[in-house]
Amino acid sequence: GESVGLHLPTLSVQEGDNSIINCAYSNSASDYFIWYKQESGKGPQFIIDIRSNMDKRQGQRVTVLLNKTVKHLSLQIAATQPGDSAVYFCAENAGGTSYGKLTFGQGTILTVHP
Amino acid sequence: NAGVTQTPKFQVLKTGQSMTLQCAQDMNHNSMYWYRQDPGMGLRLIYYSASEGTTDKGEVPNGYNVSRLNKREFSLRLESAAPSQTSVYFCASSDMKNEKLFFGSGTQLSVL
Repeated sequence: GESVGLHLPTLSVQEGDNSIINCAYSNSASDYFIWYKQESGKGPQFIIDIRSNMDKRQGQRVTVLLNKTVKHLSLQIAATQPGDSAVYFCAENAGGTSYGKLTFGQGTILTVHP
Repeated sequence: NAGVTQTPKFQVLKTGQSMTLQCAQDMNHNSMYWYRQDPGMGLRLIYYSASEGTTDKGEVPNGYNVSRLNKREFSLRLESAAPSQTSVYFCASSDMKNEKLFFGSGTQLSVL
């Protein structure tokens, strides 16, 4: 999984498989978390978010899990498609006066093989 | 439905030259941000504007200045470009009541 300061991790999956991308965060005061998808040459695109009072949230084909005990965030993509190939970033916001100032992880490269 | 628009998309500068990156959003968002993205790294906040008329430094503000021209527009200026400022620059905006950021498509800047 990704964590600030480490090499960019990669994940390769076959089309139709489920993908799990992991993220470790360090700020125990963070109360809002987001996953972004970035395709080559484009800006980050919002996928799903979750607040610290929740441990799971589902979207269309995506699920975000939050484990505050171990400060871990994961993104699950069901039935992964070639169009899901991209770099995925997690981001955290400590809230309060740091409203809107997200701290991003380094990203995970997801490659989906047809 | 433009969202966040950045200009230019590509720029090459010589060391010491100056330039301004433009950003405009049409979502009536209060807050706007400038990030830079370097190879293999996540995005780092340069400056942000929580609301019209205010600007604040982010994580890596040195060598940059910003102007929140009005609610729609937030520009980033490099007064004297350095090779270390070679990067991809992203502008983003958000509603004050929602931390979700909407990003532009980026400006790829090379300083020789």
